[in-house]
Amino acid sequence: KQEVTQIPAALSVPEGENLVLNCSFTDSAIYNLQWFRQDPGKGLTSLLLIQSSQREQTSGRLNASLDKSSGRSTLYIAASQPGDSATYLCAVSGYSTLTFGKGTMLLVSP
Amino acid sequence: DAGVIQSPRHEVTEMGQEVTLRCKPISGHDYLFWYRQTMMRGLELLIYFNNNVPIDDSGMPEDRFSAKMPNASFSTLKIQPSEPRDSAVYFCASRTAGAADTQYFGPGTRLTVL
Repeated sequence: KQEVTQIPAALSVPEGENLVLNCSFTDSAIYNLQWFRQDPGKGLTSLLLIQSSQREQTSGRLNASLDKSSGRSTLYIAASQPGDSATYLCAVSGYSTLTFGKGTMLLVSP
Repeated sequence: DAGVIQSPRHEVTEMGQEVTLRCKPISGHDYLFWYRQTMMRGLELLIYFNNNVPIDDSGMPEDRFSAKMPNASFSTLKIQPSEPRDSAVYFCASRTAGAADTQYFGPGTRLTVL
């Protein structure tokens, strides 16, 4: 059974810092890996999707990498802003379903 | 597109009562997923449908939980009878048929069972 672990569980940084969120998974037979953002009381919004054949994806200040063989992914956030404060969830995809980690709660202080 | 629509957004009920949560997926999406989110267990898949047919309900915790999808634009998740441990946020999500496509989540229903 696929298991997804995210480290750290919570992170607090001052505005402007670059930061890295980590995700690991136990079964490398995945179709893709996704990073989601969840704001308090809201649903999930997809940030980046990396296909299993890809190594990384970039969107603005966000960069996600995937090392399928080692079962790891990182989400890099450059020049963090208070608006980046949210919970970030990593999810790995089997053919039809997603398995989620428990998330990293990020707080960026002004 | 209005996105995935869920109702109600909040539900407070007493133990033993029947609860029905509703979801309208994005038009044209072939897959529909029901998730439950708690602090302890995170986000868990309960059941998913493909073209209105339930494919995998192994995540449904007990027989008290049931889900239906009578047509492509509507699904329900029912809990009968409800218990305090069912208190959680329930999300519905949908996606297209492509295995590589992302899921689009609704805003969730926060359920509190007293």
